[in-house]
Amino acid sequence: SQQGEEDPQALSIQEGENATMNCSYKTSINNLQWYRQNSGRGLVHLILIRSNEREKHSGRLRVTLDTSKKSSSLLITASRAADTASYFCACGRSNDYKLSFGAGTTVTVRA
Amino acid sequence: DGGITQSPKYLFRKEGQNVTLSCEQNLNHDAMYWYRQDPGQGLRLIYYSQIVNDFQKGDIAEGYSVSREKKESFPLTVTSAQKNPTAFYLCASTLAGGPNEQFFGPGTRLTVL
Repeated sequence: SQQGEEDPQALSIQEGENATMNCSYKTSINNLQWYRQNSGRGLVHLILIRSNEREKHSGRLRVTLDTSKKSSSLLITASRAADTASYFCACGRSNDYKLSFGAGTTVTVRA
Repeated sequence: DGGITQSPKYLFRKEGQNVTLSCEQNLNHDAMYWYRQDPGQGLRLIYYSQIVNDFQKGDIAEGYSVSREKKESFPLTVTSAQKNPTAFYLCASTLAGGPNEQFFGPGTRLTVL
């Protein structure tokens, strides 16, 4: 069952601008992960944030997690054309090998 | 190079046929997964396997079958019982003790003619 839900469904920005997308979930999690998918390709893992963490950075990516609101956000700073892709959040529960993926946010970066 | 491979990249099936999608990994991962992705949608779990010779149904297992005879391999068969098999199929693997980062293959696009 899909637990993560991304918002917005689609986002179009100018190169150099920041892109923010959100993920909401329903039940307790062990961690929340963000993935990127270029058109017609497999998913690539971007970042994992654990339930006891509030913020994590990786290069131009910043992820926040608010367990009280059951939500997470992914910020891409200084976007580039190569950031054009779909971004998915995935929820991982304790003692569970499975991830629950959301429907994704499609980001288009205009040159 | 360590990684996860899927073949073929494109597959065409006639109605009533069974087809098998290949997934191989050399990452020494214990767990492997099959997902289905429809246009504009997220990933839905078909089957997963935590160890060799064991696998569990995911959310949409009907019309699909799998085997896990080797740690490196997790083939998926799309049977004729799957009424709407046209989709993008993704295989993934991960280390034991989940929920860990999953590594994905490049995908197989299956089209029913």
